[in-house]
Amino acid sequence: SDELAQPLSVSVALGQTARISCGGSNIGIRNVHWYQLKPGQAPVVVIYRETNRPSGIPERFSGSKSGNTATLTISGAQAGDEADYYCQVWDNPTAVFGGGTKLTVL
Amino acid sequence: EVQLVQSGAEVKKPGESLRISCKASGYTFTTFWISWVRLVPGKGLEWMARIDPSDSYTNYSPSFQGHVTVSTDRSINTAFLQWSSLKASDTGLYFCGRHDGGLNWFDPWGQGTLVTVSS
Repeated sequence: SDELAQPLSVSVALGQTARISCGGSNIGIRNVHWYQLKPGQAPVVVIYRETNRPSGIPERFSGSKSGNTATLTISGAQAGDEADYYCQVWDNPTAVFGGGTKLTVL
Repeated sequence: EVQLVQSGAEVKKPGESLRISCKASGYTFTTFWISWVRLVPGKGLEWMARIDPSDSYTNYSPSFQGHVTVSTDRSINTAFLQWSSLKASDTGLYFCGRHDGGLNWFDPWGQGTLVTVSS
């Protein structure tokens, strides 16, 4: 089955750009979705199908994919963006999540 | 507004049974799948199972197959996750999430149900 590798943690200075990667051998042929998870809250999708941002998600969130790596980019990171971020794909019929990345905004 | 509202926190002993729920509102219940996902500190999100409320077709992760059962009650727009014999290792935060049959993203999610299994 697919396995997705994410860095355990990423730190970014306030207002700077954070990039979180998600690597896997089959990512090139999968749709990749990204979720934000804050303590005590439900997960929220911030990017779907690699590059699409749902309504209500700030424009500073963007996504891309190249080869077998997908990347979530947060441009101009804010204190409120501090959270855990997970990538997800489907390896039909099961869903697979990356291990999660803790984003710290300094 | 599309919403998934989950049942409250549970504290159980090993060997006990449990059923937690996820009530949907704001859309036609039978037109979207419901998945269950577990969050365990240090392990991240783990997908457990999914169910199509229109016909109760299910898929399970090999890691959870045989240990949990997912079901729905269309008359009350509610999905369930149940255990017949809990283990301490079932302790975690459980989320339900809606998605379509096209293997797309989860949106929205329920608020989570904390399950604690301890003797």
